[in-house]
Amino acid sequence: GESVGLHLPTLSVQEGDNSIINCAYSNSASDYFIWYKQESGKGPQFIIDIRSNMDKRQGQRVTVLLNKTVKHLSLQIAATQPGDSAVYFCAERRMLIGSTLGRLYFGRGTQLTVWP
Amino acid sequence: GAGVSQSPRYKVAKRGQDVALRCDPISGHVSLFWYQQALGQGPEFLTYFQNEAQLDKSGLPSDRFFAERPEGSVSTLKIQRTQQEDSAVYLCASSLRRQSPSYEQYFGPGTRLTVT
Repeated sequence: GESVGLHLPTLSVQEGDNSIINCAYSNSASDYFIWYKQESGKGPQFIIDIRSNMDKRQGQRVTVLLNKTVKHLSLQIAATQPGDSAVYFCAERRMLIGSTLGRLYFGRGTQLTVWP
Repeated sequence: GAGVSQSPRYKVAKRGQDVALRCDPISGHVSLFWYQQALGQGPEFLTYFQNEAQLDKSGLPSDRFFAERPEGSVSTLKIQRTQQEDSAVYLCASSLRRQSPSYEQYFGPGTRLTVT
């Protein structure tokens, strides 16, 4: 299953299928991107990150793809499990002009529901 | 080990009341962040501390919001004369690293503030 991120905030998949969650970011100067998972009543939990000088990074069952040309980020979850059900946020880091400080900007989020 | 803790977990305030939200970061973490998360939205940055120094407070929505971290560990977010639009989950995150924001940013469970 696949979501279009900001325009389709829910994604339902069958257990065992692969999931793709999409995110469009806004600032071409963003240098670092993170995917977070947030379960109900909990704070966001780090899943995987990628720097702007990369286009792909793999973790355990997860892969993040970055397309800077179209400012698009995706999270692929292999063999999705019921425990993956949560809201997934992408976040982009923008450095403050003239500073070593940066700030994370979060997307709206996509609710992933995995059916057994 | 213990993660980031926040208290109270839930707070109901009448409009006009002052509230204080507490964050206990992971011991030894240098950086501390506060975020505001409205229902169905991603977290929005409020302020950042490096040890006891508040290096970025540009995300605070009004002068009714005040944050402190006097000894470089526990932080308190205070909201004066609460308004209904302040209703949200307030998240705290901490990071071992100095640079903001870093990938190893650990979030607390949040405080859900409801202003009636």
